[in-house]
Amino acid sequence: DSGVTQTPKHLITATGQRVTLRCSPRSGDLSVYWYQQSLDQGLQFLIQYYNGEERAKGNILERFSAQQFPDLHSELNLSSLELGDSALYFCASSPDSTANTEAFFGQGTRLTVV
Amino acid sequence: GESVGLHLPTLSVQEGDNSIINCAYSNSASDYFIWYKQESGKGPQFIIDIRSNMDKRQGQRVTVLLNKTVKHLSLQIAATQPGDSAVYFCALSPGGSYIPTFGRGTSLIVHP
Repeated sequence: DSGVTQTPKHLITATGQRVTLRCSPRSGDLSVYWYQQSLDQGLQFLIQYYNGEERAKGNILERFSAQQFPDLHSELNLSSLELGDSALYFCASSPDSTANTEAFFGQGTRLTVV
Repeated sequence: GESVGLHLPTLSVQEGDNSIINCAYSNSASDYFIWYKQESGKGPQFIIDIRSNMDKRQGQRVTVLLNKTVKHLSLQIAATQPGDSAVYFCALSPGGSYIPTFGRGTSLIVHP
């Protein structure tokens, strides 16, 4: 158990809908990272938050947004869903934002868009 | 952007053999390298890391080798066990930032 909790574990929704994925980082970790993993694209970095503020942005679509709350949990919002958004979405956390240290991954949320 | 690639998509070995998983990278500014293991239905799990000021680092049954001259990283697993069956990712990040770029992954299959 990495200490990072993601909910829900599975999500099935229709095209055009909006969903929210939730992540609770390890106790004490201030950074949260979101990744998308699909068969054809591998593990793609989406966005990072550190202590409530956006710190880095990767290949995140405009239809996607995220936030980190004062209790440090984070949510990834996916809207106007398309079939191609079906993927595993992982959250990872680490103690800080700039040091090159190990990140701990959650079990992921498997999103299926039908 | 960063380019990280794996030499082999699938590696099959017999239990007890040593496994070597390779990874090539293109950005010579990369200074932190990580190997992750991902078992089916789980998130990536940290195995071992190495910084650019080293060329070798050993863990429990695993060794990471870094050759900065040819921009090559390898993960060696000694006495491979069925429980080692998983997808292995190399990831690397440039100095000053943690955001790693992940390779596509190599599937290691260990036959009993």
